[in-house]
Amino acid sequence: GEDVEQSLFLSVREGDSSVINCTYTDSSSTYLYWYKQEPGAGLQLLTYIFSNMDMKQDQRLTVLLNKKDKHLSLRIADTQTGDSAIYFCAESSGQAGTALIFGKGTTLSVSS
Amino acid sequence: DADVTQTPRNRITKTGKRIMLECSQTKGHDRMYWYRQDPGLGLRLIYYSFDVKDINKGEISDGYSVSRQAQAKFSLSLESAIPNQTALYFCATMGGNTEAFFGQGTRLTVV
Repeated sequence: GEDVEQSLFLSVREGDSSVINCTYTDSSSTYLYWYKQEPGAGLQLLTYIFSNMDMKQDQRLTVLLNKKDKHLSLRIADTQTGDSAIYFCAESSGQAGTALIFGKGTTLSVSS
Repeated sequence: DADVTQTPRNRITKTGKRIMLECSQTKGHDRMYWYRQDPGLGLRLIYYSFDVKDINKGEISDGYSVSRQAQAKFSLSLESAIPNQTALYFCATMGGNTEAFFGQGTRLTVV
């Protein structure tokens, strides 16, 4: 079945890089996503990558996709305390991107 | 105005009561979704709809029903609420295959 796996917690110091990893199962996924959820808020799309790409960079964010291993990662450079949040990996799954299937989320804690 | 609006934002209800959560969107998208979020479990798909005449069950549809009243409106009902339906509920809409837009969530507590 469809499943998206992430580690649950990551703790880093301010100024360091953060790397959040994700594995997915649906090899037909067209897009893979990273969403951010701050406390008490809804989900905000951070970035997404098309399945025929292996890397995408957007300011402090770098997404790496290894399609062979079905592995996705999000690197946040120069992590700030404002980056503390839950980060969700998601895949578009099913025919024509039926629905977004989410991982359980990685809680990123940034200490100063 | 928000792209996706959920009402109510917070609700406390008693076991056995019927409750409806409402969602409306201004993106003009056909696809709409209901998810529930529980701590440590991420977001799980309850129901989704591709248009007014198309309703599909998600991963955890038992105990829930939905109604797509119009392209812009998608409501979620709990016919007889039970405590383990206490959760944060999100509505979302999606166009094409790129970004999903989420509402701010409805925090439901069943006592």
